[in-house]
Amino acid sequence: QVQLVQSGAEVKEPGASVKVSCKASGYTFIRHYIDWVRQAPGQGLEWMGIINPSGGSTTYAEKFQGRVTMTRDTSTSTVYMELNSLRSEDTAVYYCARGGSYRDFYYYMDVWGKGTTVTVSS
Amino acid sequence: DIVMTQSPDSLAVSLGERATINCKSSQSILYSSENKHYLAWYQKKPGQPPKILIYWASTRESGVPDRFSGSGSGTDFTLTISSLQAEDVAVYYCQQYYSTPRTFGRGTKLEIK
Repeated sequence: QVQLVQSGAEVKEPGASVKVSCKASGYTFIRHYIDWVRQAPGQGLEWMGIINPSGGSTTYAEKFQGRVTMTRDTSTSTVYMELNSLRSEDTAVYYCARGGSYRDFYYYMDVWGKGTTVTVSS
Repeated sequence: DIVMTQSPDSLAVSLGERATINCKSSQSILYSSENKHYLAWYQKKPGQPPKILIYWASTRESGVPDRFSGSGSGTDFTLTISSLQAEDVAVYYCQQYYSTPRTFGRGTKLEIK
């Protein structure tokens, strides 16, 4: 079955970086976009950006431009999201989610990873 | 950015009764050549990832109970649960995927009365 398996929880100090992984299985990795969404404690869902696993092209939300980098490794069917210059407000659960096929950039997210908790604290 | 405004913020409904959640987009999310509204509804329970319920505003995801339905057009959309079950307690989010950034409503917390 289609699955997205995310890496484990992280605790980081302010100013540090975190890199979260998302390993896809059960479908052809390069054929679907992957979105990243986060949820801070007590808050709603916030879209961070999207990557095309085929060519590696990315689109980021303006809020995260310059601080986020999404990459992929096609040999392991894994997508990565790295967030730099962490601050306390980045404490959240980070989700990867499968988007549309390579022809469908504008698409809903149909399969989600279980989430990775990132805690930023000194 | 397209702003998604959900109402109400919270809702308490008796078991077996109807629950209605509204979502309004700040601009049209209709792709006219396809006649599709680029709107999805997700269910979020604590400790779990969001789950897709409805996409294209009214298409139910496979495996989602038929008590869940989506409707609407233009900029106004509705998620209806026809007969509330205990397992439907959750926060519900609408989301537009018409443009980037994708944007979500603030969520509606659904509880049992």
